[in-house]
Amino acid sequence: ETGVTQTPRHLVMGMTNKKSLKCEQHLGHNAMYWYKQSAKKPLELMFVYNFKEQTENNSVPSRFSPECPNSSHLFLHLHTLQPEDSALYLCASSHETGLVDEQYFGPGTRLTVT
Amino acid sequence: GQQLNQSPQSMFIQEGEDVSMNCTSSSIFNTWLWYKQDPGEGPVLLIALYKAGELTSNGRLTAQFGITRKDSFLNISASIPSDVGIYFCAGLAQGGSEKLVFGKGTKLTVNP
Repeated sequence: ETGVTQTPRHLVMGMTNKKSLKCEQHLGHNAMYWYKQSAKKPLELMFVYNFKEQTENNSVPSRFSPECPNSSHLFLHLHTLQPEDSALYLCASSHETGLVDEQYFGPGTRLTVT
Repeated sequence: GQQLNQSPQSMFIQEGEDVSMNCTSSSIFNTWLWYKQDPGEGPVLLIALYKAGELTSNGRLTAQFGITRKDSFLNISASIPSDVGIYFCAGLAQGGSEKLVFGKGTKLTVNP
């Protein structure tokens, strides 16, 4: 079983829809991350949570709203997205932030905004 | 800045050949990580490097943390078809934010 799971794996939504992405980690980690992966671009960090507290918001538009109810779960709530938001959204976790540590990724949610 | 320049962007090789790819930066890094991403999946951590000069192997993969701390390379020996994918370097810069910086990736194609 993979340590980090994400659902759904694929999502198609209209610009007026509201949807949520879910991430769960089974590794006992305390830090969780959302990344956006677009074609031909480096991975873009969106949000960081450490012990359920948001420690990083990398200038992400407010149409993306994260939620971290506990150290094992991370959500990304989506509303009124734009077509350019279509991308692979990756969740990752690590033991903690602020340490020399390794991040483990989930399989991603392929999002298409129509 | 803390950008990583990863090269080459893509490689087409024959099965059995060795592969080498690298990442460089103008900044000093404290950590280098190498990931592989298969189509439709998330990146999987291959090797982590924490000390300048460190050479670490994982099966047919070998990675080194450059002495200058501004570069790292990944070698794959005797490539096989399942090595296809995109390989990413990532680093944690010295004195910078505690965010991993990623390269743009090297897409590897192995012809049987």
